Amino acid sequence: SAVISQKPSRDICQRGTSLTIQCQVDSQVTMMFWYRQQPGQSLTLIATANQGSEATYESGFVIDKFPISRPNLTFSTLTVSNMSPEDSSIYLCSAGGGWGGYGYTFGSGTRLTVV
Amino acid sequence: GIQVEQSPPDLILQEGANSTLRCNFSDSVNNLQWFHQNPWGQLINLFYIPSGTKQNGRLSATTVATERYSLLYISSSQTTDSGVYFCAVDLDSGNTPLVFGKGTRLSVIA
Repeated sequence: SAVISQKPSRDICQRGTSLTIQCQVDSQVTMMFWYRQQPGQSLTLIATANQGSEATYESGFVIDKFPISRPNLTFSTLTVSNMSPEDSSIYLCSAGGGWGGYGYTFGSGTRLTVV
Repeated sequence: GIQVEQSPPDLILQEGANSTLRCNFSDSVNNLQWFHQNPWGQLINLFYIPSGTKQNGRLSATTVATERYSLLYISSSQTTDSGVYFCAVDLDSGNTPLVFGKGTRLSVIA
C-alpha cells in the first residue's frame, strides 16, 4: 500500500491567519480525501480531490474556507483560511483503496490549535 | 448515504481481559477497515476485511457481509491497546471516501 507523508504534524496559530497542510503520496493515486476530526469526535469528510479538476466539497465545507490544490497524482494541499478557535481539530488526508487488499491509508495527521 | 454504527461507544477493561467491538453497516460495501487511533491522533490500519476472518497477534476481525456487520476481537488486552477504534466502509474502492463510524473508546487499566 502507499505511504502518505503529511506535514506539519502540529501547529498553534493565531486567529485570522491561514495554515496550509501538505500531503505527499509515494505512489500515484487518482483520488485523495481530506478529513477533519474535532475533539472527541469521529472523522468528517471535508472534500475529495481529483487531479486536474476542482475538489468536491461536502455539505458544510466551502472552498473559500478550505481551498484545496491537487497539482499532480502524488500531492495535495489543504489550506485552513481565516482561522478561528472552532477550527482547532486534527486534519487528515487519505488515499487508496485500489491496491488490492490493503485498503485506504492515512497521513499521520495535523493537530491544529487556534488561539 | 450509508450508515455505520459502532458499539459500545465506551469500554473500560482490566489489563488481560478480552473484548469484542461491533460494527454494523446499512448497505452493501466494497471494503471495510478497522483502525486504531492512538493518543497522538495517528490512525493505524488494523485490518482490511471486506469479508471473512483475519488475525494479527492478539487481534482478530470477522466480517459477515451478508448480514452487514463486522466484529473486532481484542484478547489479553494491554494498556497500549487504549485509544479509539474506528470501523470504516467504502462503496467504490479508491474512488469514494471511507465512511466512519463514531468509534469505540477503549481504556485498558493496569
